[in-house]
Amino acid sequence: DAMVIQNPRYQVTQFGKPVTLSCSQTLNHNVMYWYQQKSSQAPKLLFHYYDKDFNNEADTPDNFQSRRPNTSFCFLDIRSPGLGDAAMYLCATSRPDRDYEQYFGPGTRLTVT
Amino acid sequence: SQQGEEDPQALSIQEGENATMNCSYKTSINNLQWYRQNSGRGLVHLILIRSNEREKHSGRLRVTLDTSKKSSSLLITASRAADTASYFCASIQGAQKLVFGQGTRLTINP
Repeated sequence: DAMVIQNPRYQVTQFGKPVTLSCSQTLNHNVMYWYQQKSSQAPKLLFHYYDKDFNNEADTPDNFQSRRPNTSFCFLDIRSPGLGDAAMYLCATSRPDRDYEQYFGPGTRLTVT
Repeated sequence: SQQGEEDPQALSIQEGENATMNCSYKTSINNLQWYRQNSGRGLVHLILIRSNEREKHSGRLRVTLDTSKKSSSLLITASRAADTASYFCASIQGAQKLVFGQGTRLTINP
């Protein structure tokens, strides 16, 4: 089945230690998104790619970076995680001819110790 | 910025009852989408309603859209325990981006 896969599902990192979260998709969608979601809140868009074009949200901290080496994969790098970065990180994909209906992965729960 | 506000923030009903959630948005839209999120999981797309539509059905789901009031509602009929989840409305803002409302946490009591 076509899907969005996130690895790992749970990630524990130390304060200040760089961490990378990964997302892959078999849907061949143009657009890939990274969201941060904290408890009982709506998903907050960090950035997205339309093909190779990178679109950063104005309020996304510089601590968060992303790479999309090809259509299928997208990575979220947190250069120096702080305690406030503990959250669920959601990857999603969409395509323009489907009204940007989004397909989400299961998420990676990040804990910062 | 948040595009939508949802009401109520939390809703608890008995199994078999109907659940209604409301969403208001600020700017004009092409379509409005509803998503469900089970605890600790990713979001799942439920239904999309276009700006030229007033009502849409999918199984036990009914969505209405009132563009003059910039509001939408999601009705779940004959609720089941498995419907317990958070429900979010979302609309396109700018290019390619969805902006989500704050969500309604729905609890179905057996």
